[in-house]
Amino acid sequence: DSGVTQTPKHLITATGQRVTLRCSPRSGDLSVYWYQQSLDQGLQFLIQYYNGEERAKGNILERFSAQQFPDLHSELNLSSLELGDSALYFCASSVDPAGEQYFGPGTRLTVT
Amino acid sequence: AQKITQTQPGMFVQEKEAVTLDCTYDTSDQSYGLFWYKQPSSGEMIFLIYQGSYDEQNATEGRYSLNFQKARKSANLVISASQLGDSAMYFCAMREGGVGNQFYFGTGTSLTVIP
Repeated sequence: DSGVTQTPKHLITATGQRVTLRCSPRSGDLSVYWYQQSLDQGLQFLIQYYNGEERAKGNILERFSAQQFPDLHSELNLSSLELGDSALYFCASSVDPAGEQYFGPGTRLTVT
Repeated sequence: AQKITQTQPGMFVQEKEAVTLDCTYDTSDQSYGLFWYKQPSSGEMIFLIYQGSYDEQNATEGRYSLNFQKARKSANLVISASQLGDSAMYFCAMREGGVGNQFYFGTGTSLTVIP
């Protein structure tokens, strides 16, 4: 158990819908990262927050947005969902913005 | 060009033997970090080992060691005394950049440990 929690574990929704994925980092970690893992794209870095501020942006679509709250938990919002958004979404956290990351168990999103 | 290249899609190793998983990277940054993660069939990503670009010594964590050859831009993972529980996907990753870090993962190597 990495100490990073993610909810929900599984999510099934229809195209065009919007969902919110939630992540709580390990105690003491200020940095939160979001990744998407799919069979065709592999593991893709989406976005990083550090102590509430956006720190780095990767391959995040405009339909996706994220934020980190004062209590350091983070949410990833996915809207206008498409079939191709079906993937495993990981949250990770780290103490400092450049250190090793500890991953949550992931949220499996299925868009039908 | 790929930022992280793992050329071995699948590897087999006999239990108790050592195995090397290859990773090469591409960056023009002076400051970067290299990571290895393990992903068992259950799906979670487990951090194994980290090497900073300025670290002169190769990183070691228990049975894992990272063979860092900066000039060749390679960061191979060596697992000694393989165990059945080591069967998993292994991903090499790189953190690149200063203030706005970017993170890149390789396509992974599937390791199977044979009893």
